[in-house]
Amino acid sequence: DTGVSQDPRHKITKRGQNVTFRCDPISEHNRLYWYRQTLGQGPEFLTYFQNEAQLEKSRLLSDRFSAERPKGSFSTLEIQRTEQGDSAMYLCASSPSSGVRGNTIYFGEGSWLTVV
Amino acid sequence: GDSVTQMEGPVTLSEEAFLTINCTYTATGYPSLFWYVQYPGEGLQLLLKATKADDKGSNKGFEATYRKETTSFHLEKGSVQVSDSAVYFCALRVESSASKIIFGSGTRLSIRP
Repeated sequence: DTGVSQDPRHKITKRGQNVTFRCDPISEHNRLYWYRQTLGQGPEFLTYFQNEAQLEKSRLLSDRFSAERPKGSFSTLEIQRTEQGDSAMYLCASSPSSGVRGNTIYFGEGSWLTVV
Repeated sequence: GDSVTQMEGPVTLSEEAFLTINCTYTATGYPSLFWYVQYPGEGLQLLLKATKADDKGSNKGFEATYRKETTSFHLEKGSVQVSDSAVYFCALRVESSASKIIFGSGTRLSIRP
């Protein structure tokens, strides 16, 4: 079990460019989450997948953001036409499905995005 | 809606001091409660958790007790070390279709040698 892995760890991009982040969850975890964290703040929920189905999206997820999990394994988060306000750390997390109260959500190390 | 409020930082203590970081929550259901820790440049690591009232979570000398009557989950450690310097996040999770975790804003802890 190698944990949740994210790629790239760091990305610097010019405003207006598109960026894509990848997340590989812990194997056999069918729940996958994306969060965004800005400096000095706690992580904020963006979206959630149960297997390949995207079941919930936060209002923070503008129409420039799209997330996919095509085969219920890895996931991608794409940001189109990046803006400076998109600069943040994007965290991916996974957990087993419900059934056990207090199931732990495991986080990756995050992908830092800097828009210049 | 569900939310977590935690003590604002930064908190600066001397090594071997006693630590308390306050955390209170508001939840529509019956949440599980968590403390996560984030070391500089790293992601979030689960520190401890409690899933029902009066449960005590503990790990690495840290403890927190789930107090339903006061809707609190304060983090404590009897003797902090320099290596405990990090940002600590209190969080809750209500079992639902998404069961997402909701975080507080974090408390930065710095320990002086």
